Amino acid sequence: DTAVSQTPKYLVTQMGNDKSIKCEQNLGHDTMYWYKQDSKKFLKIMFSYNNKELIINETVPNRFSPKSPDKAHLNLHINSLELGDSAVYFCASSPPGSDTQYFGPGTRLTVL
Amino acid sequence: DQQVKQNSPSLSVQEGRISILNCDYTNSMFDYFLWYKKYPAEGPTFLISISSIKDKNEDGRFTVFLNKSAKHLSLHIVPSQPGDSAVYFCAASAGAQKLVFGQGTRLTINP
Repeated sequence: DTAVSQTPKYLVTQMGNDKSIKCEQNLGHDTMYWYKQDSKKFLKIMFSYNNKELIINETVPNRFSPKSPDKAHLNLHINSLELGDSAVYFCASSPPGSDTQYFGPGTRLTVL
Repeated sequence: DQQVKQNSPSLSVQEGRISILNCDYTNSMFDYFLWYKKYPAEGPTFLISISSIKDKNEDGRFTVFLNKSAKHLSLHIVPSQPGDSAVYFCAASAGAQKLVFGQGTRLTINP
């Protein structure tokens, strides 16, 4: 009974392709996030959604488009993948009114 | 502009002794601080947090101390156990549920 799950765990693809990463949480939280951990190991927020509504968009290229079909899911679609998109992407969620976030296991994206 | 800094990339401690991990921040608007633990190929796991209205929070072997005047917080683990070997991230929030992370400290507990 995983709390925050992501698929796939590993994704290897060619430059220029379009790919999606899926995230689901069964904690009943209403806010979900996407983070990117780059090669220097910094974890940086990309987006947050509250009840399917975009709340935070941190200067991310518009090739990245989050989609929240319902409050338990937040998917990340990336168009025209570039070498610099190679990173580990983490999904997270938090309960109402709390800054404590709970993370998924991560998706390692490698762009060749 | 790194608002949260963990200046020690790594720390090695003997089993049973105290581990002290440090974190500095620059943004005086931060009012909530968290520590996360991360094993390889897993996501960060929430460990302990502290609000800016407190200067200490304790949970079992883990204690977080906050010094607002110095803009410094630390995580104490005592006694350290082999399973504590992981990367520890400090994070801070100024509200709006947005966390800013430090770059992590790799803790190794030696038997």
